[in-house]
Amino acid sequence: KAGVTQTPRYLIKTRGQQVTLSCSPISGHRSVSWYQQTPGQGLQFLFEYFSETQRNKGNFPGRFSGRQFSNSRSEMNVSTLELGDSALYLCASSLALGDSPLHFGNGTRLTVT
Amino acid sequence: ELKVEQNPLFLSMQEGKNYTIYCNYSTTSDRLYWYRQDPGKSLESLFVLLSNGAVKQEGRLMASLDTKARLSTLHITAAVHDLSATYFCAVEYDMRFGAGTRLTVKP
Repeated sequence: KAGVTQTPRYLIKTRGQQVTLSCSPISGHRSVSWYQQTPGQGLQFLFEYFSETQRNKGNFPGRFSGRQFSNSRSEMNVSTLELGDSALYLCASSLALGDSPLHFGNGTRLTVT
Repeated sequence: ELKVEQNPLFLSMQEGKNYTIYCNYSTTSDRLYWYRQDPGKSLESLFVLLSNGAVKQEGRLMASLDTKARLSTLHITAAVHDLSATYFCAVEYDMRFGAGTRLTVKP
């Protein structure tokens, strides 16, 4: 069974640009969550989607947005990039049932210069 | 606001020793998760604890949950080098993560 796939693995952008990250969940998983991981702030929750609807949102500015498609694939968009947006962005999928844990992808390493 | 606090944040152990990592959280939750992250890698699920008093064991790791005390523990028995990693606890609400405990096991 294929795991969670995130593309691209690495990305370098300039301040002010925008970026779109992609996540393909494990087949059958309908919940997709996004996290930002930095050395200083640790793992911070961005948002969660379930069946194309945003169920939960973390404390990030509106420049961070996401969506989920009917096939459960998800995209995350960051507009007007800032230096502080440099981070590892992790996507995780789950069955969102009972005791199902999150299954994480390998992440997208975003560097903003 | 939900707070999830882990301690210690850094732990250096000798092989063969035992130690416990603690995870405190500030709001009611019946579900708590433990994850492991190796350097440069993604997170891997270790345990899902679903109710008060839940205890799960896998190899040299044992996790428990006390929902009344809002406390989970991850106990390491007879540590080996392969256990060196960062361990995170996460509480169901918003799947909020602790800061992580970086464990180094030395020979």
